[in-house]
Amino acid sequence: DQQVKQNSPSLSVQEGRISILNCDYTNSMFDYFLWYKKYPAEGPTFLISISSIKDKNEDGRFTVFLNKSAKHLSLHIVPSQPGDSAVYFCAASGETSGSRLTFGEGTQLTVNP
Amino acid sequence: KAGVTQTPRYLIKTRGQQVTLSCSPISGHRSVSWYQQTPGQGLQFLFEYFSETQRNKGNFPGRFSGRQFSNSRSEMNVSTLELGDSALYLCASSLARGVEQFFGPGTRLTVL
Repeated sequence: DQQVKQNSPSLSVQEGRISILNCDYTNSMFDYFLWYKKYPAEGPTFLISISSIKDKNEDGRFTVFLNKSAKHLSLHIVPSQPGDSAVYFCAASGETSGSRLTFGEGTQLTVNP
Repeated sequence: KAGVTQTPRYLIKTRGQQVTLSCSPISGHRSVSWYQQTPGQGLQFLFEYFSETQRNKGNFPGRFSGRQFSNSRSEMNVSTLELGDSALYLCASSLARGVEQFFGPGTRLTVL
């Protein structure tokens, strides 16, 4: 049972444009969501998070939107840069699961110069 | 502040052997979680330790175990290694639940 899903395995955008990465979840007990960026053979790097009491969180070029009724979140990167090319994972945790994170499958973002 | 460190970075073992991986969390972080990443299964939660107690456990066989020491450093052990245990093992630390977890670089385990 995949509780967190990233339906797009890959996304390609031009430098300077917006990248939008999507994530859906099924477990209504999830109340904290995170986005990580990962390069091969390295650990994930934390990007941005959002609590279920908010619907938007912004940090520089990164904005995360949460739509609780649709159980959907998205990560917007504006403007996209070639250095943003990596695999992006969304993750979720719930009050009853401690620090346990449930990850999506990841989306490979490629930003073309 | 130093990040999460994991040792060793790379390890090659043969089937049937056992292995111990080590993780040192960020100073002040008391929660340490372990994850397994494989191409087919993605990032899967193994277990979490907080103040030397296992607080949460994922769906892995009993061959996978862990512990946490009083200084918050953690080890995980895999006994009777199988080929399917080949993976990147990641450790993450955090101050508490509901805040971001920071990952180490991982230990790449290859079982031959």
